[in-house]
Amino acid sequence: AQSVTQPDIHITVSEGASLELRCNYSYGATPYLFWYVQSPGQGLQLLLKYFSGDTLVQGIKGFEAEFKRSQSSFNLRKPSVHWSDAAEYFCAVGGNNNDMRFGAGTRLTVKP
Amino acid sequence: IAGITQAPTSQILAAGRRMTLRCTQDMRHNAMYWYRQDLGLGLRLIHYSNTAGTTGKGEVPDGYSVSRANTDDFPLTLASAVPSQTSVYFCASREDRGSNQPQHFGDGTRLSIL
Repeated sequence: AQSVTQPDIHITVSEGASLELRCNYSYGATPYLFWYVQSPGQGLQLLLKYFSGDTLVQGIKGFEAEFKRSQSSFNLRKPSVHWSDAAEYFCAVGGNNNDMRFGAGTRLTVKP
Repeated sequence: IAGITQAPTSQILAAGRRMTLRCTQDMRHNAMYWYRQDLGLGLRLIHYSNTAGTTGKGEVPDGYSVSRANTDDFPLTLASAVPSQTSVYFCASREDRGSNQPQHFGDGTRLSIL
């Protein structure tokens, strides 16, 4: 069965610093991969998605992610973090049927 | 603004009571989903519906039921609530089961069972 692992439960970075959130997946076929962001008290908002083609995908709010099949990874990056990026981030795999699985999430804290 | 509406936003419920969480979408999406979100576990799929008139079980369906009488509405019912069902519940939809489009989420219902 497919699964998603987000190794980091909580990450703290300084405002203006770079960010990388890790995501590893297990999926039997070519995966569809997603990153979502959740602000407190709200639902999940899509940041970016990967289906095929270029392995480096650009998303909203200046985020990007790189699909590495050899490492079964889909890490999320941002060159310079803003205080408004503080939130919970979820990686998800699947998509073509009803087997979408979410990671447990990484909470991002941004220091002034 | 098109999207998903969930009601209520929060609820405190006595154990043993029946509760229905409402979910309505106005995007004419065929597929709809119910998840529960628990700390350290991420989102887990409870039930889904690929199209009006059909439903299916997800990863954690026990204690929950759903119906899909029309395209827009996908209510989730707890027949007899138990404390372990305390959670935040999210409804989601997407264009089609076979679509590569992502899911759209509502803002959630925070449910506490005492």
